[in-house]
Amino acid sequence: DTAVSQTPKYLVTQMGNDKSIKCEQNLGHDTMYWYKQDSKKFLKIMFSYNNKELIINETVPNRFSPKSPDKAHLNLHINSLELGDSAVYFCASSQDLPRGQGPYEQYFGPGTRLTVT
Amino acid sequence: AQSVTQPDIHITVSEGASLELRCNYSYGATPYLFWYVQSPGQGLQLLLKYFSGDTLVQGIKGFEAEFKRSQSSFNLRKPSVHWSDAAEYFCAVVRNTGGFKTIFGAGTRLFVKA
Repeated sequence: DTAVSQTPKYLVTQMGNDKSIKCEQNLGHDTMYWYKQDSKKFLKIMFSYNNKELIINETVPNRFSPKSPDKAHLNLHINSLELGDSAVYFCASSQDLPRGQGPYEQYFGPGTRLTVT
Repeated sequence: AQSVTQPDIHITVSEGASLELRCNYSYGATPYLFWYVQSPGQGLQLLLKYFSGDTLVQGIKGFEAEFKRSQSSFNLRKPSVHWSDAAEYFCAVVRNTGGFKTIFGAGTRLFVKA
């Protein structure tokens, strides 16, 4: 049983192209995230959605557009790909705890390695 | 600004030896602290977390971590390392900005030698 799945696992494309990465979670979680991990393994949050609503939108180029068609899916669309977009992109999800009880652990997908040539 | 520092980029220990991975955080309020492990080619998996209460927390795979407010630290320990523990380890702090935002440290790569 896959908890958080991402497709594709590898994506090689040329500069200027538009591509999408899909993410699905079957855990019934309320919140989903996208992270970018660069070549030095540094992991940085990009977006967070709670019940299909955008909660966190870090300073990322507007070429990146997340879309959440329902609570179980959070897709990432990237326009006009650049060399610097090459990285591993991780999707994650978490359940909400009652207010005041802090954040819950995040469950991560296996990652999508994007290579822009 | 909130930040997480993992001073060691990589550490090598012998199998069976003890391990301590360092983590320091900068955060004004009581932090929510996590340790995650990333095996090669995999996503991150939670090892343990600290919200409040007992400052020594136990996690999976025999790991534990101790929260020390006076030192702003949350170091990860394991008494006896196994070869399968070789991986990248991330310390993280979560802050509430209207949504919970996780800030990760740069990671420490653990190598285990026979």
